[in-house]
Amino acid sequence: NAGVTQTPKFRVLKTGQSMTLLCAQDMNHEYMYWYRQDPGMGLRLIHYSVGEGTTAKGEVPDGYNVSRLKKQNFLLGLESAAPSQTSVYFCASTGWRGAYNEQFFGPGTRLTVL
Amino acid sequence: QKEVEQDPGPLSVPEGAIVSLNCTYSNSAFQYFMWYRQYSRKGPELLMYTYSSGNKEDGRFTAQVDKSSKYISLFIRDSQPSDSATYLCAMIEEYGNKLVFGAGTILRVKS
Repeated sequence: NAGVTQTPKFRVLKTGQSMTLLCAQDMNHEYMYWYRQDPGMGLRLIHYSVGEGTTAKGEVPDGYNVSRLKKQNFLLGLESAAPSQTSVYFCASTGWRGAYNEQFFGPGTRLTVL
Repeated sequence: QKEVEQDPGPLSVPEGAIVSLNCTYSNSAFQYFMWYRQYSRKGPELLMYTYSSGNKEDGRFTAQVDKSSKYISLFIRDSQPSDSATYLCAMIEEYGNKLVFGAGTILRVKS
């Protein structure tokens, strides 16, 4: 039982390049989330999904796209990377909403955009 | 104004001290309150979970919620160097599907 895994762990991009971050969970969770974490800013929600085939915008969605084609996977795409997207990206999943929304986090992806 | 305010610190204390970490919030619809602990270069993990107002104790950790003041606290007794981490408060509405996080407080416990 691996929990939540993220690929890759580190990446350096040049401005304008594109990439996809992969999140996978083996807990059969319905809800999945992508966050970015910057110093002093806490975790900010980029996009989330409430089930296979669904996606929704979070607090800071601009410059990112997501897809949830399979229940266990949630992909985050950067079409044209910008230095402002340098951050640590965390994926999380949970099986519940409201009261029991304990989110399980992956180990993070450290992205640098030059 | 952010929905959830949390002093980012850093907070530095000697081993054995009592630590108090706090968050304030503005959304009165929040019903469930959580504290996550995040070690350096790791993902956050749930530490404590409280419903509505009241206290909850788990070993050296106590979580308090005062909904009338929109104020939550986490107390750590007999703090240890292993408690050094970032502590993030988080909260959610009754039937919500999105947690709202504070900025996180960096705690350093010196031996």
